[in-house]
Amino acid sequence: QSALTQPRSVSGSPGQSVTISCTGTSSDVGDYNYVSWYQQYPGKAPKLIIYDVTERPSGVPDRFSGSKSGNTASLTISGLQAEDEADYYCCSYAGTYTSVFGTGTKVTVL
Amino acid sequence: QVQLVQSGAEVKPPGASVKVSCKASGYIFTDYYMHWVRQAPGQGLEWMGWINPNSDATNYAQKFQGRVTLARDTSISTVYMEVSRLRSDDTAVYYCARGSLIGDSGWSIDIWGQGTMVTVSS
Repeated sequence: QSALTQPRSVSGSPGQSVTISCTGTSSDVGDYNYVSWYQQYPGKAPKLIIYDVTERPSGVPDRFSGSKSGNTASLTISGLQAEDEADYYCCSYAGTYTSVFGTGTKVTVL
Repeated sequence: QVQLVQSGAEVKPPGASVKVSCKASGYIFTDYYMHWVRQAPGQGLEWMGWINPNSDATNYAQKFQGRVTLARDTSISTVYMEVSRLRSDDTAVYYCARGSLIGDSGWSIDIWGQGTMVTVSS
């Protein structure tokens, strides 16, 4: 199972929007609506910010949103804030009760 | 509150085995899958497998089949992950993480343990 493909880095100024893509195949992202996104600060455990493609757990700001088209899922951060500077990972169900993570994206707030 | 607390850091020589524990609290242990994910230094997250604490069923990523064993002790709400025949590229932080409600149609990981650093070095 190959890792899902994410851009290595994205950046934006405070208040701007950034979008992170997560490209898989018709056997994972394209076939299931079970894509989740995680935020990770250096030295810390990941935190769930989006599940089931578009759903936000309670407590996650609504500036985080998810979507999917075909084999590519996306995470958009609107109104970028300094605290959003972190690594972000997507994860998809990949059939036969397995999961696969993305390669990870570093978000830099300029 | 829901919490996963893992055992402490380990240093092992190549070829040895390591066993990491993960104690759950704040929810019904047997109601949720438990996944294991690892992260090598400076690298991304890698899914390893899960255990169903209710049935003891397991499922592993193909890469780890035969070398990773997941087990549970329901009496103390604890899951164990053992990696055998350690190699230098097994050096990583290992996380346990709560999965979906068993029997539910969803599939995600919500709560994570604090991570356990395993260093493989002679």
